[in-house]
Amino acid sequence: SQQGEEDPQALSIQEGENATMNCSYKTSINNLQWYRQNSGRGLVHLILIRSNEREKHSGRLRVTLDTSKKSSSLLITASRAADTASYFCATVPIMDTGRRALTFGSGTRLQVQP
Amino acid sequence: NAGVTQTPKFQVLKTGQSMTLQCAQDMNHEYMSWYRQDPGMGLRLIHYSVGAGITDQGEVPNGYNVSRSTTEDFPLRLLSAAPSQTSVYFCASSYRGGYNEQFFGPGTRLTVL
Repeated sequence: SQQGEEDPQALSIQEGENATMNCSYKTSINNLQWYRQNSGRGLVHLILIRSNEREKHSGRLRVTLDTSKKSSSLLITASRAADTASYFCATVPIMDTGRRALTFGSGTRLQVQP
Repeated sequence: NAGVTQTPKFQVLKTGQSMTLQCAQDMNHEYMSWYRQDPGMGLRLIHYSVGAGITDQGEVPNGYNVSRSTTEDFPLRLLSAAPSQTSVYFCASSYRGGYNEQFFGPGTRLTVL
């Protein structure tokens, strides 16, 4: 079963606008990670936020984590056409820390129009 | 560093055939894993390994075998291919599994006729 679910499933914006993607998960987590996947390629790690952190920044990316609501958001500011990709959240459930495996959501497909 | 490499990039099999998907990493990572990605379903864990000689099942292990004789290599074997195994397969590695960022290979697109 999938732990994380992204919302929206698809998002289309103009270059220069901000893009916000949300992720909800079901059980308590050790950490939450965001990955990007360009069409036909492997996944690339963007950012990791631990359960005791509330916000993290990396360049044009801002990730927030609300453990009380079991949700996270990824904000991409000043988007570019090169940001067009699918974005996935992934979690390590605390109950599954022996396995240490990531559980992925189904992703948000972001299209940035030039 | 080459990172995580996978071969082949594409493969077409007939039902009942067997094959091995290769995965190698040169980052000295202890943890390696195999995922499959189907349309609209994200990635699902097939098998994983926490070190040489140690493997375990993930979420969807049926029809697949793995072994880990070295730190670098983690091959995935399809025993008797079925159309339901048509998918894109990704190998990943990291120092401590999901506690760190994972590095993914470019994927193998498998079609079973």
